[in-house]
Amino acid sequence: EVQLVESGGGLVQPGGSLRLSCAASGFTFSRYSMNWVRQAPGRGLEWVSFTSTTSRFIYYADSLKGRFTISRDNAKNSLYLQMNSLRAEDTAVYYCARSEGELELLTWGQGTLVTVSS
Amino acid sequence: SYELTQPLSVSVALGQTARISCGGSNIGSKNVHWYQQKPGQAPVLVVYRNANRPSGIPERFSGSNSGNTATLTISRAQAGDEADYYCQVWDSSTAVFGGGTKLTVL
Repeated sequence: EVQLVESGGGLVQPGGSLRLSCAASGFTFSRYSMNWVRQAPGRGLEWVSFTSTTSRFIYYADSLKGRFTISRDNAKNSLYLQMNSLRAEDTAVYYCARSEGELELLTWGQGTLVTVSS
Repeated sequence: SYELTQPLSVSVALGQTARISCGGSNIGSKNVHWYQQKPGQAPVLVVYRNANRPSGIPERFSGSNSGNTATLTISRAQAGDEADYYCQVWDSSTAVFGGGTKLTVL
């Protein structure tokens, strides 16, 4: 069964850092591009970042202004999101999602909640 | 930056047809994907590349895309179709989501 499981969320103070992980199983992780998508409470979906299979191509939402870094370890079947200088507006459920042929997001994890608050 | 515009809400009578629009500049030249999200759950892809259904998605879900508007059509609407629906495209190496439409089945 294809599965994505996020972890690493929690409560963090403004200005703090957090590293999210996404463990992939049931498929050949190294063959797929991956994404992070977030959803603030009561709000819509917001794309965060994309990495190609070998990390050659990496893209971010303009709104992040360099605070987040996506990475992957194909040997460990894992995707990561390093989040720095966190703000209250970064509070959201963070999903990892697998890209398919036309970059549609077919497979999603269950999400991990990040709360930025003092 | 590219923007996608969706109606906040759409209502449909049980068994009737619902249409959810997604507006964007020359969106007909892009591939549009549609996601369904129920409360407390992760999104589910229901239509990809404008009009294709992933495995397991009922034929009642269909899509079209032309000019400045893409449309998700849900035929014979069921109570279980009540959810938020999001359109999505890629533009200049950025994934863009519409604001989402809440579908209510009456």
